[in-house]
Amino acid sequence: DVKVTQSSRYLVKRTGEKVFLECVQDMDHENMFWYRQDPGLGLRLIYFSYDVKMKEKGDIPEGYSVSREKKERFSLILESASTNQTSMYLCASSPGGRSYEQYFGPGTRLTVT
Amino acid sequence: RKEVEQDPGPFNVPEGATVAFNCTYSNSASQSFFWYRQDCRKEPKLLMSVYSSGNEDGRFTAQLNRASQYISLLIRDSKLSDSATYLCVVNMRCYNTNAGKSTFGDGTTLTVKP
Repeated sequence: DVKVTQSSRYLVKRTGEKVFLECVQDMDHENMFWYRQDPGLGLRLIYFSYDVKMKEKGDIPEGYSVSREKKERFSLILESASTNQTSMYLCASSPGGRSYEQYFGPGTRLTVT
Repeated sequence: RKEVEQDPGPFNVPEGATVAFNCTYSNSASQSFFWYRQDCRKEPKLLMSVYSSGNEDGRFTAQLNRASQYISLLIRDSKLSDSATYLCVVNMRCYNTNAGKSTFGDGTTLTVKP
C-alpha cells in the first residue's frame, strides 16, 4: 500500500511565524503535491513537484514556497503565516508517467492565530 | 464557470437504493478522470478510475462521456458505509513535465439512511 505521511495532524501558529509542513511518501513516486482544502472552496493546488528540486506553481502559490531535496520528501513553507492561511493542508503523491492517480496523506489542520 | 462542476447535494437515500452522481468538465483536452471518496475529517481516497469504456467495481460503476464532457458514478444497493463526499477529478498532462495537473470538483455529499 502507498503510504503518505505528514509531520503533524494539528498545528497552531502565530501570525508572522515561519511554518514548515513536511510530507513523506514511501512508494518512489515521481510527483508530489500540496493542496489546501477549505469549506465551500474545495481542494486547491498550491504547488507540485515532478522531480527532485523541480517545482511548479499551482493555482494559489502566493504566500507559500516548497522544497524537494529528496524524492520522498516534499515540504511546504509558509514564510510568514497569516490568519487567512488557516486551513487543512493535504499532501499527495502520484507515480508519474501515465499514472495520474494521487494518494493523499492524512492532512494537517493548521490554525494561525 | 468552474473547470469541474458537481451537484453538491446532499443526496439522502435509503439503504438499498441506487444513486447516481454526475460531474461535468470544461476542458476538452482533459485526459484522465477519477472518482475519490472523502469521509468526514479524512483525506480523499481513490475510489476508481474512469474510462471511456466504463469501469465497474462491485456495486460501483463509472462512465465517461467525452462528447458531452461529463463523468458519472453509479452506486447500486447503497450501504450505510457509502455515506461520504464523492469528488470527481479531471487530469491534464502538463506540457513540460510528466505530472498531471488535477482539478477537483467540490464534491457531492451522500447520506445513506437505514
